Amino acid sequence: EDQVTQSPEALRLQEGESSSLNCSYTVSGLRGLFWYRQDPGKGPEFLFTLYSAGEEKEKERLKATLTKKESFLHITAPKPEDSATYLCAVQAGQGAQKLVFGQGTRLTINP
Amino acid sequence: EAEVAQSPRYKITEKSQAVAFWCDPISGHATLYWYRQILGQGPELLVQFQDESVVDDSQLPKDRFSAERLKGVDSTLKIQPAELGDSAMYLCASSLGLYSYEQYFGPGTRLTVT
Repeated sequence: EDQVTQSPEALRLQEGESSSLNCSYTVSGLRGLFWYRQDPGKGPEFLFTLYSAGEEKEKERLKATLTKKESFLHITAPKPEDSATYLCAVQAGQGAQKLVFGQGTRLTINP
Repeated sequence: EAEVAQSPRYKITEKSQAVAFWCDPISGHATLYWYRQILGQGPELLVQFQDESVVDDSQLPKDRFSAERLKGVDSTLKIQPAELGDSAMYLCASSLGLYSYEQYFGPGTRLTVT
């Protein structure tokens, strides 16, 4: 069974304090790994898709990386508006299209 | 910018009542998904459509839940009768196609069953 585990569950940083969020996965045949941002009471907002180990993608203060067993979401010099829950999901297996999500990391950036 | 539309945004209902949610995907997106998200957890797939056909409904509680996408565009998810444990956020998402395409989510419907 495909499994996705995110850590930590919650992270509190000061503005400008860089850090990383982790997403570990156990799947059979990874087709893609997805990162989403979710604000309270709203639907997830697409950030990145990573397809193969070694791949990296960047968007503003966020950078996502992928290895064969995990993905990291690095946040550099975060601002209070980066506060949100960050969700990791995998799409895996032959003929499978559904996303299997982790439980998310709740990130709070204090000014 | 094209978005997935959902209504209502909030719904409060009593247990044993029927409730329905509506979703309009991004224009041109053939694949539509309904997810359920319990507070503090990630979304879980309930049902997936390719055009008007169901591709995956293995996690849909079929004794009380039903979903349709009659013309392959918008979709309705129904719960009858609602139970206390159905309180959650119901999210609709759409994508261009089936394989390795980004899924774009709507704002969700927050359901509270009393």
